[in-house]
Amino acid sequence: GIQVEQSPPDLILQEGANSTLRCNFSDSVNNLQWFHQNPWGQLINLFYIPSGTKQNGRLSATTVATERYSLLYISSSQTTDSGVYFCAVHSGGYQKVTFGTGTKLQVIP
Amino acid sequence: NAGVTQTPKFRILKIGQSMTLQCAQDMNHNYMYWYRQDPGMGLKLIYYSVGAGITDKGEVPNGYNVSRSTTEDFPLRLELAAPSQTSVYFCASRLQGAGEKLFFGSGTQLSVL
Repeated sequence: GIQVEQSPPDLILQEGANSTLRCNFSDSVNNLQWFHQNPWGQLINLFYIPSGTKQNGRLSATTVATERYSLLYISSSQTTDSGVYFCAVHSGGYQKVTFGTGTKLQVIP
Repeated sequence: NAGVTQTPKFRILKIGQSMTLQCAQDMNHNYMYWYRQDPGMGLKLIYYSVGAGITDKGEVPNGYNVSRSTTEDFPLRLELAAPSQTSVYFCASRLQGAGEKLFFGSGTQLSVL
């Protein structure tokens, strides 16, 4: 099946710093989403981004499907950004959704 | 509009016991999914369904069974629970189509002792 790798696996930031999270996938995908899992375990959909660039406040995402990667940018990080960030790809005719390995982010005051 | 509802939130099982994790959605989504998340790890797909009466295996289906008799409900059955099934289980759903986002329930934390 498709492999989805994220980097870095762990990241510690000072509040106010910027960061870039990467998602690499091993095969062509139909779609890609980014999720944030907060410290209480809740999964929140951040972006649906099969290609191109989208922005939502301090967060933005870029997917280059032809090169099989996506990037999530976090600017001016806040403590509430802490948690785990996952990318998830749709493959197999849009049906299967496979999650990446995750990036655990800790933002310290 | 409740979204995706999972019950129970917590459960402790003894080795060899069986149980059913419930998942219901009220958004008329045709695609539904079950994932497990082991401590400090990512989500692994157990089973998924593209509509009532249609289910298929994901990455880690062994030890589990599913059924989809209605659009709304997608229960996950554990037979003969084992310690390796200790995990947090998430149910998710979405509409058919490339542009449709995935919505998650709040999860069921299961311990098998």
